[in-house]
Amino acid sequence: AQTVTQSQPEMSVQEAETVTLSCTYDTSESDYYLFWYKQPPSRQMILVIRQEAYKQQNATENRFSVNFQKAAKSFSLKISDSQLGDAAMYFCAYRRGGSRLTFGEGTQLTVNP
Amino acid sequence: DAGVIQSPRHEVTEMGQEVTLRCKPISGHNSLFWYRQTMMRGLELLIYFNNNVPIDDSGMPEDRFSAKMPNASFSTLKIQPSEPRDSAVYFCASSLRSGGGEGQFFGPGTRLTVL
Repeated sequence: AQTVTQSQPEMSVQEAETVTLSCTYDTSESDYYLFWYKQPPSRQMILVIRQEAYKQQNATENRFSVNFQKAAKSFSLKISDSQLGDAAMYFCAYRRGGSRLTFGEGTQLTVNP
Repeated sequence: DAGVIQSPRHEVTEMGQEVTLRCKPISGHNSLFWYRQTMMRGLELLIYFNNNVPIDDSGMPEDRFSAKMPNASFSTLKIQPSEPRDSAVYFCASSLRSGGGEGQFFGPGTRLTVL
């Protein structure tokens, strides 16, 4: 069974600084997808960024980028120029084909002004 | 485009009552997922459908929970009878089944409180 681990229950960053959230996963598959979701206090789950395992190039969405290390089964999220609105719970997730998403436990990010 | 729509947004009920949560997926999406989120257990997948057919209901806690998807644009999650331990936020999500790289898009959730 696939598992996703986020080893940082809480992280904090100063506004305008950069922060990296860690995620590791366990799978025997070679073709799969990885995601980061953001859940602000409103509870809405928002898709932040996605990565296809067959792509070596790291995904980037504006201030959000990932460091995907397939051999190490690591998928970290980097947030550059952090803004107050980035404060949220961040979930890493794994999906193979059309099957279910497997979520990590989440990392609570605080952005300090 | 409208996202995933869930109703009600909040539900407060008494133990023993029937609760029905509703979901309208994004038009064109053919997979639908029901999740439950609690502080203790995090995000749990309850059940998911592909093309209106239940594929995996192993996450449904017990027989008190049932889910239906009578057509591509509507799904319900029913709890009968409800218990205080069912109090949680229930999310519906939808996606395109093919590939899987598109990600799942979540509704705003229904906060259920069972007294």
